[in-house]
Amino acid sequence: DQQVKQNSPSLSVQEGRISILNCDYTNSMFDYFLWYKKYPAEGPTFLISISSIKDKNEDGRFTVFLNKSAKHLSLHIVPSQPGDSAVYFCAASFYSGTYKYIFGTGTRLKVLA
Amino acid sequence: DADVTQTPRNRITKTGKRIMLECSQTKGHDRMYWYRQDPGLGLRLIYYSFDVKDINKGEISDGYSVSRQAQAKFSLSLESAIPNQTALYFCATGSRGANVLTFGAGSRLTVL
Repeated sequence: DQQVKQNSPSLSVQEGRISILNCDYTNSMFDYFLWYKKYPAEGPTFLISISSIKDKNEDGRFTVFLNKSAKHLSLHIVPSQPGDSAVYFCAASFYSGTYKYIFGTGTRLKVLA
Repeated sequence: DADVTQTPRNRITKTGKRIMLECSQTKGHDRMYWYRQDPGLGLRLIYYSFDVKDINKGEISDGYSVSRQAQAKFSLSLESAIPNQTALYFCATGSRGANVLTFGAGSRLTVL
């Protein structure tokens, strides 16, 4: 039972255009959502997060949108740059004595120069 | 030096062998985690630890064991490796009350 789903395994975007990565979740207990970026031969690194009390969080070129009624979040990257080419994981967490994290399967983004 | 260091980075072994993957951190975080990444399955939690005396099973702990030797060290053992344990393994750390994990660079294990 995949509680966090990233239905697009890959995405290609032209440099300068917007990249939109999507993530769906099923558990309404999740109250915090994160995006991690992973380059080859490196571990995932934290990119941006959003609390369930918000519907948008912006950090430079990266914006995360949360639609709780649809149980959907998305990561927008604009403008996309070749250095953004990586695998992006969304993760959802909830607190049950400690924070528990469920990761999606990842989307490989390729930004074409 | 990396905040979270995993050794070895790559290992090839044979079925039935005992393997230990080690993780050390300089973040001063109390919480440490072991995840496994498989193609199409994302990151799945194997074990986690809140402090030296606390060990908890994750969603896929069968066939694995862990040891928290010190606050900064958390090792993952495969007592008798099998081919379906071939995967990329990540150690991660987190601090109490914080929601962000810091990951190591990963240990790629191949079991023949």
